[in-house]
Amino acid sequence: KQEVTQIPAALSVPEGENLVLNCSFTDSAIYNLQWFRQDPGKGLTSLLLIQSSQREQTSGRLNASLDKSSGRSTLYIAASQPGDSATYLCAVRRDTGNQFYFGTGTSLTVIP
Amino acid sequence: GAGVSQSPSNKVTEKGKDVELRCDPISGHTALYWYRQSLGQGLEFLIYFQGNSAPDKSGLPSDRFSAERTGGSVSTLTIQRTQQEDSAVYLCASSTGGGGGELFFGEGSRLTVL
Repeated sequence: KQEVTQIPAALSVPEGENLVLNCSFTDSAIYNLQWFRQDPGKGLTSLLLIQSSQREQTSGRLNASLDKSSGRSTLYIAASQPGDSATYLCAVRRDTGNQFYFGTGTSLTVIP
Repeated sequence: GAGVSQSPSNKVTEKGKDVELRCDPISGHTALYWYRQSLGQGLEFLIYFQGNSAPDKSGLPSDRFSAERTGGSVSTLTIQRTQQEDSAVYLCASSTGGGGGELFFGEGSRLTVL
């Protein structure tokens, strides 16, 4: 079974700081990895999808990297803003089966 | 529609009643997933549909839970004889292809069982 861990569980940073969120997974035989944000009381919003053959994906101030062999992904947020405050989740799909396995998320607070 | 639509957004029911939760995926998305998110918990996989068939029902927690999908589109998750531990947010997601594409979620249905 795939285990997905996100550390830290919570993070508080001042506005403007660059930050890195971590996601690790136990089984490196993955199909893809996806990063989401979840605002309180809302569903999940897709941020970035990385296929297993890719090393990184970028969207605006966000950059996600993938190191399959070490079972790790990072989400880099540049020049953080208060609007970035949310819970960030990563999800991994194994290359067999259909489930996406989710981490429990990192709750980010960006202080103005 | 533009995104995944779920209804109702909130449902309060009494223990022992049956409930139905509806999911309308993004048009053209053949893969559909149901997940459950309990307070302070991670997302728990329930069931996966590819078209109208459900090749993976392994996450359904008991036989009180069932789901169907008709016309390769709308899906209904039914919980019979609800229990207090069924209280959670039920999230639906859809994607293109065989389920390996980008996953898009609805806003969820919050179920409270009194």
